[in-house]
Amino acid sequence: AQKVTQAQTEISVVEKEDVTLDCVYETRDTTYYLFWYKQPPSGELVFLIRRNSFDEQNEISGRYSWNFQKSTSSFNFTITASQVVDSAVYFCALSEASPEQGGSEKLVFGKGTKLTVNP
Amino acid sequence: DGGITQSPKYLFRKEGQNVTLSCEQNLNHDAMYWYRQDPGQGLRLIYYSQIVNDFQKGDIAEGYSVSREKKESFPLTVTSAQKNPTAFYLCASSPDRVLDNEQFFGPGTRLTVL
Repeated sequence: AQKVTQAQTEISVVEKEDVTLDCVYETRDTTYYLFWYKQPPSGELVFLIRRNSFDEQNEISGRYSWNFQKSTSSFNFTITASQVVDSAVYFCALSEASPEQGGSEKLVFGKGTKLTVNP
Repeated sequence: DGGITQSPKYLFRKEGQNVTLSCEQNLNHDAMYWYRQDPGQGLRLIYYSQIVNDFQKGDIAEGYSVSREKKESFPLTVTSAQKNPTAFYLCASSPDRVLDNEQFFGPGTRLTVL
């Protein structure tokens, strides 16, 4: 069965530090998608990025970057020059077809990493 | 504005009472989902629906029920059979069941059972 592991429960950094959030996944499928979501204190999840299993190119969006490595089943997220507004819980998620549900797709989430950026 | 609304934001109920959480979307999405979030835990899927009048159980469906009579609405009922209902409940939707669609989330309802 698919599984997402975010080993870091909580991380605390000082503003302007770089920080990397780890995500390791397990899947038997060759076609799958990986996602990162941000959950600020307000509670609503905000979509950050989607990556398909055939595209291993790293991606950069402003201060955010993602490193996808199929060889290690990892999809790590780095925030460069962190800011207080980056404080949130970050979730990594895996989308995979579920044969037992007639091919229906489900999103499996990791337990999240709580990032605190101190001024 | 297009989006997902959940009401109420905070809900208090006495033990043994059923309670229904509202979820409405005006994004014209086919698929809708209910998740439960407990402190220090990730999101766990309760139920999902990929089309009107059809829904499937997720990983923790026991003690919950849903309906999907309209495309834009997917209410969740927390029944008295749910042993530990106090949690944060998130509703989400996506355009369809295709693997690569991200899910859009509502603001959540925090349910406390006294």
